[in-house]
Amino acid sequence: EPEVTQTPSHQVTQMGQEVILRCVPISNHLYFYWYRQILGQKVEFLVSFYNNEISEKSEIFDDQFSVERPDGSNFTLKIRSTKLEDSAMYFCAVRTGSRHYGYTFGSGTRLTVV
Amino acid sequence: QKEVEQNSGPLSVPEGAIASLNCTYSDRGSQSFFWYRQYSGKSPELIMFIYSNGDKEDGRFTAQLNKASQYVSLLIRDSQPSDSATYLCAVVDIGGSGGSNYKLTFGKGTLLTVNP
Repeated sequence: EPEVTQTPSHQVTQMGQEVILRCVPISNHLYFYWYRQILGQKVEFLVSFYNNEISEKSEIFDDQFSVERPDGSNFTLKIRSTKLEDSAMYFCAVRTGSRHYGYTFGSGTRLTVV
Repeated sequence: QKEVEQNSGPLSVPEGAIASLNCTYSDRGSQSFFWYRQYSGKSPELIMFIYSNGDKEDGRFTAQLNKASQYVSLLIRDSQPSDSATYLCAVVDIGGSGGSNYKLTFGKGTLLTVNP
């Protein structure tokens, strides 16, 4: 049983449309992250989220991206106006505490922008 | 720009052999190191973490860390076809905001194929 569930598992959207990717951690995690992986490339950091605010964001995370945890459970990534180059696997990751003990990744959402 | 470098492979070993995966990192201040396994189309799965110099063993897996050489490796003993996957090396980056971040920087991964 996955500790972190992501929905949807696969989404196809037209360029310019908004998409919302959801992450549902089961345990009581404190730190939340979004990463993405373009096909054949490395896993890249997008944004970190702690105490209901963004801790750090990468250059990729521009004004088209936003994150929130509206109900204290779901952690969402919104892309306001998708571009072809947003096509990638998007992973939510969580961490409970010590940086030494690793991060658990969600099951991933494959986003295809056409 | 903090970098994590891995040989992309593919690395091909026969079943039962030892697979050796290597990783170097550029930030001498890095403190924690992780090995993830990623099957095609799936999410990264944590195999091991290490933060002290030396070896750390867990079953068939041994992680080795040499901070002076900025080098971390993963050995897989008695390799099985089910070990065939891409192995990702990741390093914790404290980041600009300090203690609440600790984001991961990944290498591109090494594709391992274990032949029956």
